[in-house]
Amino acid sequence: AQSVTQLGSHVSVSEGALVLLRCNYSSSVPPYLFWYVQYPNQGLQLLLKYTSAATLVKGINGFEAEFKKSETSFHLTKPSAHMSDAAEYFCAVSDPGYSSASKIIFGSGTRLSIRP
Amino acid sequence: KAGVTQTPRYLIKTRGQQVTLSCSPISGHRSVSWYQQTPGQGLQFLFEYFSETQRNKGNFPGRFSGRQFSNSRSEMNVSTLELGDSALYLCASSLGGTSITNTEAFFGQGTRLTVV
Repeated sequence: AQSVTQLGSHVSVSEGALVLLRCNYSSSVPPYLFWYVQYPNQGLQLLLKYTSAATLVKGINGFEAEFKKSETSFHLTKPSAHMSDAAEYFCAVSDPGYSSASKIIFGSGTRLSIRP
Repeated sequence: KAGVTQTPRYLIKTRGQQVTLSCSPISGHRSVSWYQQTPGQGLQFLFEYFSETQRNKGNFPGRFSGRQFSNSRSEMNVSTLELGDSALYLCASSLGGTSITNTEAFFGQGTRLTVV
């Protein structure tokens, strides 16, 4: 069974500082990997997805993530935090089979706070 | 194009009642998935419908059911409501294929259900 572990339920950084949100996955097959962001009282928005075409994935709003198979990790980074980045971030995984690809398993989430 | 629409946005029900939530996917999307989000359990997969058939199912009791219509709109029903069913229910739509692009899920803003 697939699973995702997000290290740190709450991360706080200063505006302009590096953002690093950690995610480790467990999967018996090469998975699909995603990062989603959720703003208060909103649904989830896709930040980026791992397609196996490149290990470094660039997403929206300046975020990127690096897939490291040897570490089973898919950490999310942004070089310079902005106040508008304050939100909840979810790492997610799915099994790329015909009927299983749409069953997305989410991590527990990391709340990102930005200090002025 | 229009995004995923969930109705209603907010709902208050009494224990023992039943409730039906609605989700209209993005035009052309054939897969609709439902998720329950609570502070304690996080985001949990309920089920997925594809071309009017349930294709995937999470670990929820039979009180939670769903269906999908020929126009891909989906409804989720919860019978004999319990206090613990209070949650944000999110619907996501995707094309429903197996490629990473077809798997990309677009979320609605959710229905906030409160059981009193």
